[in-house]
Amino acid sequence: DARVTQTPRHKVTEMGQEVTMRCQPILGHNTVFWYRQTMMQGLELLAYFRNRAPLDDSGMPKDRFSAEMPDATLATLKIQPSEPRDSAVYFCASGLSVSAAQGYTFGSGTRLTVV
Amino acid sequence: DAKTTQPPSMDCAEGRAANLPCNHSTISGNEYVYWYRQIHSQGPQYIIHGLKNNETNEMASLIITEDRKSSTLILPHATLRDTAVYYCIVRVANTGNQFYFGTGTSLTVIP
Repeated sequence: DARVTQTPRHKVTEMGQEVTMRCQPILGHNTVFWYRQTMMQGLELLAYFRNRAPLDDSGMPKDRFSAEMPDATLATLKIQPSEPRDSAVYFCASGLSVSAAQGYTFGSGTRLTVV
Repeated sequence: DAKTTQPPSMDCAEGRAANLPCNHSTISGNEYVYWYRQIHSQGPQYIIHGLKNNETNEMASLIITEDRKSSTLILPHATLRDTAVYYCIVRVANTGNQFYFGTGTSLTVIP
């Protein structure tokens, strides 16, 4: 089965450090989403891209978060500087926008802990 | 914005059918009903979706009421591996837009 690959699976970092999370969408998928999940807020959409162009990043704190797709096989989510409140599981999902009726495939997530 | 209402938790005996309800009274004519589930420590997994007809696949069945204001996800023979949080989502299909996840129903399958 095709999979969305996220790296790293776990990351522990100190407050103030830069964190970069990576996502390899399923080959051929042109829509990529970043979600964040915490116990308090559940699953929150941070940003999404279609054909590598950002369509909506209104869910992201702009001063410290940035999301990019340098090419069709890589999406990145960067936090600089990181803060303890950023501790969460970050999920990437991909899909085909023209076939979005079938839903999207999620990766296994990156569990981030900022101390 | 989540447009659905689900019970926060349910139990089901192993081997029995699990029936998970969802209310979506404000659903629009072009919105589909989607179901995802999230097993502990994993990403959400697509289960099934439908517009107005009942749907069935290898994982589950989806029953949508005639007025489309509610639906039920049926896992015909629940196993312990079906223990997860189940999310009911309404969304316009074929737009490539995001899914808004609510709080879902935490299903526990009991041996």
